[in-house]
Amino acid sequence: SQKIEQNSEALNIQEGKTATLTCNYTNYSPAYLQWYRQDPGRGPVFLLLIRENEKEKRKERLKVTFDTTLKQSLFHITASQPADSATYLCALDMWYSSASKIIFGSGTRLSIRP
Amino acid sequence: NAGVTQTPKFRVLKTGQSMTLLCAQDMNHEYMYWYRQDPGMGLRLIHYSVGEGTTAKGEVPDGYNVSRLKKQNFLLGLESAAPSQTSVYFCASSSELATDTQYFGPGTRLTVL
Repeated sequence: SQKIEQNSEALNIQEGKTATLTCNYTNYSPAYLQWYRQDPGRGPVFLLLIRENEKEKRKERLKVTFDTTLKQSLFHITASQPADSATYLCALDMWYSSASKIIFGSGTRLSIRP
Repeated sequence: NAGVTQTPKFRVLKTGQSMTLLCAQDMNHEYMYWYRQDPGMGLRLIHYSVGEGTTAKGEVPDGYNVSRLKKQNFLLGLESAAPSQTSVYFCASSSELATDTQYFGPGTRLTVL
């Protein structure tokens, strides 16, 4: 079965540096891969979606890459700020199953220290 | 536009009690989902609906039932609560495609004693 691994439970970096979060998956490459942000006590909020035929997607200080050969997506936050501290989830669609749904990784907790 | 709302926000149940969680969305979305989130396990899909009057099982459906009588509402029921159902429950909705952006509610924290 498809598995998602966000290989860091927690990541601590200095303000101003670039934060890089990793999402690896097994088996089938998804048609879409999404990244969400979740703050404590709140529901996830959508950030970016990247399709299988896209190598890179950007939105302001955020950048997502998608490598179907490595079965990996990288999520970058440049010029990080303390306000970027949150848990970040990756999610991918299960197009190969009969059900229309996506599955989520367990998340990486990012802390930006001033 | 309230987006996705969930009631209640918190609830404590005793083992064997029943309850219903309500999810409402005002975005006219076709797809709606119920997830549970446990430490270290991420979001797991319980049940979902691809339109009014339809429901389907997700990854962890046992012990839960759902109904989608109106397009804007998706109800999650626990008939006989168990301590293993202690979790944070999130409802989400998406528009045309199940793989489209999902909009989440604020969550319900449920404790079963």
